[in-house]
Amino acid sequence: QLQLQESGPGLVKPSETLSLTCTVSGGSISSSSYYWGWIRQPPGKGLEWIGSIYYSGSTYYNPSLKSRVTISVDTSKNQFSLKLSSVTAADTAVYYCARHLTGVIAVAFWGQGTLVTVSS
Amino acid sequence: DIQMTQSPSSLSASVGDRVTITCQASQDISNYLNWYQQKPGKAPKLLIYDASNLETGVPSRFSGSGSGTDFTFTISSLQPEDIATYYCQQYDNLPQLTFGGGTKVEIK
Repeated sequence: QLQLQESGPGLVKPSETLSLTCTVSGGSISSSSYYWGWIRQPPGKGLEWIGSIYYSGSTYYNPSLKSRVTISVDTSKNQFSLKLSSVTAADTAVYYCARHLTGVIAVAFWGQGTLVTVSS
Repeated sequence: DIQMTQSPSSLSASVGDRVTITCQASQDISNYLNWYQQKPGKAPKLLIYDASNLETGVPSRFSGSGSGTDFTFTISSLQPEDIATYYCQQYDNLPQLTFGGGTKVEIK
């Protein structure tokens, strides 16, 4: 059974870099059939795709966040990671890691989500 | 960038009612449109992919239709467990994903 688990600090100071890791269990991150991505949801608001990565390291980012986002993959650890720089209070959100297919880009598997608060 | 306009933002209906949610894309997206259900405190759940295909294990009272710019999501007979927020999501092959603003469904 595939499981995705986010980990990282729950509190980040303004102007610093938010760093999260998603550990994949029950499946290989090196599968050619899937992208691995990050999606966030500010409290009480809607969903926003941040970006996705292929096991080869190819990355695809939301244009509105592209200048601040880096997603990387570590196939040896079956993990992928998110870094979001220069954070502000507007980056406070539940961050989900997720898996979607390469063809039909529907997110069928999600992590449980982790709340990251940006505050001094 | 493609914008997704979802309506209504909220609705209240009785158990057994037919519920319809619409999603409009700012340009032709063919059938590249998915629907999700999100219950409070939980991750979203995929219900419909490629506009009209029911995800495995999803009850048949959920359905989707449309192509191009106009899409519809329907619950044929609202059940108490369907109380949730529903989101549409479009994609392209780059890949890029965009979600609609969500529709909160409540019981009257």
